[in-house]
Amino acid sequence: GENVEQHPSTLSVQEGDSAVIKCTYSDSASNYFPWYKQELGKGPQLIIDIRSNVGEKKDQRIAVTLNKTAKHFSLHITETQPEDSAVYFCAASTSGNQFYFGTGTSLTVIP
Amino acid sequence: NAGVTQTPKFRILKIGQSMTLQCTQDMNHNYMYWYRQDPGMGLKLIYYSVGAGITDKGEVPNGYNVSRSTTEDFPLRLELAAPSQTSVYFCASSYSMGSYEQYFGPGTRLTVT
Repeated sequence: GENVEQHPSTLSVQEGDSAVIKCTYSDSASNYFPWYKQELGKGPQLIIDIRSNVGEKKDQRIAVTLNKTAKHFSLHITETQPEDSAVYFCAASTSGNQFYFGTGTSLTVIP
Repeated sequence: NAGVTQTPKFRILKIGQSMTLQCTQDMNHNYMYWYRQDPGMGLKLIYYSVGAGITDKGEVPNGYNVSRSTTEDFPLRLELAAPSQTSVYFCASSYSMGSYEQYFGPGTRLTVT
């Protein structure tokens, strides 16, 4: 099956700086790559996603890039704010059936 | 819309007991999923369903059973609970017709002692 690796496991940044989280996947058939934000005691919430026919997608301060050849994708958060502090997960899926998640990145934004 | 609801929020089971985790969605989504999340780990798919009457195994199905008799409900059954099933369980749903966006419930924290 698919194997998704995520780095780093923890990340601390100063407020206003950028944060980058990286994931790699193993199955070239994967075609959908979502990113989730999970706050303490809550379920994951989708923040951005990208399909394999697109190289980059941006939504305000959040962007995701995908390199299909190298099988990796990254989450970029610019102008970080304290409310961005949470655990972030990447995932990979083939056609929305099975989803394989990374192990998460705990992001702390220091005011 | 309430979205995806799960009950109970917390539960403590003794080894060998059984229980059902309830999941309901009111968004008329055809796809539903059950995940478990262990400390410091990502989510692992237990079972999923692409519509009423259709279920399939995910990565970690052993020790669990599911059914999907209606579009709204997707209960997860634990038979003969074991300490290895101590985890946080999340239910999710998605419309899936052109959109794979998953909506997650708030989770059930289960401890087996």
